[in-house]
Amino acid sequence: SQKIEQNSEALNIQEGKTATLTCNYTNYSPAYLQWYRQDPGRGPVFLLLIRENEKEKRKERLKVTFDTTLKQSLFHITASQPADSATYLCALDVTSGTYKYIFGTGTRLKVLA
Amino acid sequence: DVKVTQSSRYLVKRTGEKVFLECVQDMDHENMFWYRQDPGLGLRLIYFSYDVKMKEKGDIPEGYSVSREKKERFSLILESASTNQTSMYLCASSPPFGSVTQYFGPGTRLTVL
Repeated sequence: SQKIEQNSEALNIQEGKTATLTCNYTNYSPAYLQWYRQDPGRGPVFLLLIRENEKEKRKERLKVTFDTTLKQSLFHITASQPADSATYLCALDVTSGTYKYIFGTGTRLKVLA
Repeated sequence: DVKVTQSSRYLVKRTGEKVFLECVQDMDHENMFWYRQDPGLGLRLIYFSYDVKMKEKGDIPEGYSVSREKKERFSLILESASTNQTSMYLCASSPPFGSVTQYFGPGTRLTVL
């Protein structure tokens, strides 16, 4: 069956460390992969998009990698801060003819001061 | 900045009531989406629309209908609300396909008693 998996358990890290979140998928061939941030009681906010022919994308303290062979994306936050505490969602674009976006369930990150 | 607004942040309805959830976007986006988000299940697509008066079913359309009479407005209708429709409802908009980002509204927390 087709599925997308993110660490279901919360990730706690110390301020200043690098947080690494994982997004694994099976049976998809996404052209693009996106990462979103969601705060409690709020809608997701777009962070980064990476295409299938890109290995890595950076934006300020954020870095995303995309390995289509392993079917995995890693999301890194360097020099993490308590304000980075949120749930992070990955989303695959597998649109082919008709719209098809698949969201993961998200990983909750807590950065401890 | 893109702005997506939803008519209510919190809503409490009775079983059997007809419920309208409204969504408005101000960026002239062609695509609009309705999702519901439940713990452990992630975001699931209910309906989407790629043009005025056009709609397509998502993964879980049962018990819902939609209306898009104007480009900026997309309404979700629960014809006869049931307790299993208690959820967070998220509206999103985006430009045409090509894996651009989706812009989400703040969400409506609907409780059906």
